[in-house]
Amino acid sequence: KQEVTQIPAALSVPEGENLVLNCSFTDSAIYNLQWFRQDPGKGLTSLLLIQSSQREQTSGRLNASLDKSSGRSTLYIAASQPGDSATYLCALLISSGSARQLTFGSGTQLTVLP
Amino acid sequence: NAGVTQTPKFQVLKTGQSMTLQCAQDMNHEYMSWYRQDPGMGLRLIHYSVGAGITDQGEVPNGYNVSRSTTEDFPLRLLSAAPSQTSVYFCASRDREGSPLHFGNGTRLTVT
Repeated sequence: KQEVTQIPAALSVPEGENLVLNCSFTDSAIYNLQWFRQDPGKGLTSLLLIQSSQREQTSGRLNASLDKSSGRSTLYIAASQPGDSATYLCALLISSGSARQLTFGSGTQLTVLP
Repeated sequence: NAGVTQTPKFQVLKTGQSMTLQCAQDMNHEYMSWYRQDPGMGLRLIHYSVGAGITDQGEVPNGYNVSRSTTEDFPLRLLSAAPSQTSVYFCASRDREGSPLHFGNGTRLTVT
């Protein structure tokens, strides 16, 4: 069974710092990987989606990479801001039943201090 | 564009009661799904549907029923609520397979 791990569970950084969030997985047979952001009391917002054939995707200050051989993805946030404070989750699309399903990590709770 | 709408936002039930969590999307997405989110366990898939009239079980389906009579709506029914079903429930939808998943804002359910 695919296991998805996000370490650390919580991270606190000063404003302006560049930071990396990690996501590791046990089975490289994935179709794509998504990074989500979740604000307290809210649903998940999709940030970036990397297809299995891609190595990275960028959106503004965010860059996500995918290395299937090492079972690892990273989310890089440049010049962090207090508004980036949220929980970040990665999710892998795998085959399960009659449709491909997402398997989620437990998330990293990020706090950016002003 | 409302996206994915879930009602209610909060609900308290007594053990043994039944209720239906509503989910509607206005993006004409074929795929819809229900997740529960519990501390330290991430999101787990309860049921999903790949189109009207088609539903299937996810990782944790016991105690829940779903139906998909229209493309827009995907209600989740708790038949006889148990304290173990205390959780935050999220509905999500997407367009084609592999496209980003869109989430509702969740329903926080407490079963006493």
